[in-house]
Amino acid sequence: SQTIHQWPATLVQPVGSPLSLECTVEGTSNPNLYWYRQAAGRGLQLLFYSVGIGQISSEVPQNLSASRPQDRQFILSSKKLLLSDSGFYLCAWKSRDSGNTIYFGEGSWLTVV
Amino acid sequence: GQNIDQPTEMTATEGAIVQINCTYQTSGFNGLFWYQQHAGEAPTFLSYNVLDGLEEKGRFSSFLSRSKGYSYLLLKELQMKDSASYLCAAILSGGSYIPTFGRGTSLIVHP
Repeated sequence: SQTIHQWPATLVQPVGSPLSLECTVEGTSNPNLYWYRQAAGRGLQLLFYSVGIGQISSEVPQNLSASRPQDRQFILSSKKLLLSDSGFYLCAWKSRDSGNTIYFGEGSWLTVV
Repeated sequence: GQNIDQPTEMTATEGAIVQINCTYQTSGFNGLFWYQQHAGEAPTFLSYNVLDGLEEKGRFSSFLSRSKGYSYLLLKELQMKDSASYLCAAILSGGSYIPTFGRGTSLIVHP
């Protein structure tokens, strides 16, 4: 069966510091991968998605970036965090071959102070 | 999320039935999802409808009307653990098959 993991689960970072959130998927090959953010009182906002290694599409202009160095690894980064980057970050995956359902990782709580 | 509307909050009594509605733009529509999200946790998949009609999974059922741009999630025999946010998400952009999420409906079940 397929599983998705992301880490760290929680982190508190000062303004201006860098960020790296990592996500890996097991049990499937060549998945579509996604990074979403959920701010307090708001819906899920798609940040990035990837259909293959090195292929990243950005949905929202911001100071975040994403990379996919391996087939089942997706990384969300920032060089300098802003207060507005605080939120709940969710990695998700979808099978390329079967169905349209996306499945979420456990989520990472980021608080920028 | 743009183009997806659902109520912000609903309350219901344990043991009762509740219906959570969702409307969406019909242009480019290619399927509708419902997810459950408990506070502080990630969303978990409940249902996916692409054809008109009702699909039942135990205590949860999901309905879709493509022509009306309308869906609902029906929860029967409510339990306290059903207190959560319910997210409606629709594939609206045709080719990319990436769902757009509504803001979610916070359901509070009380004794």
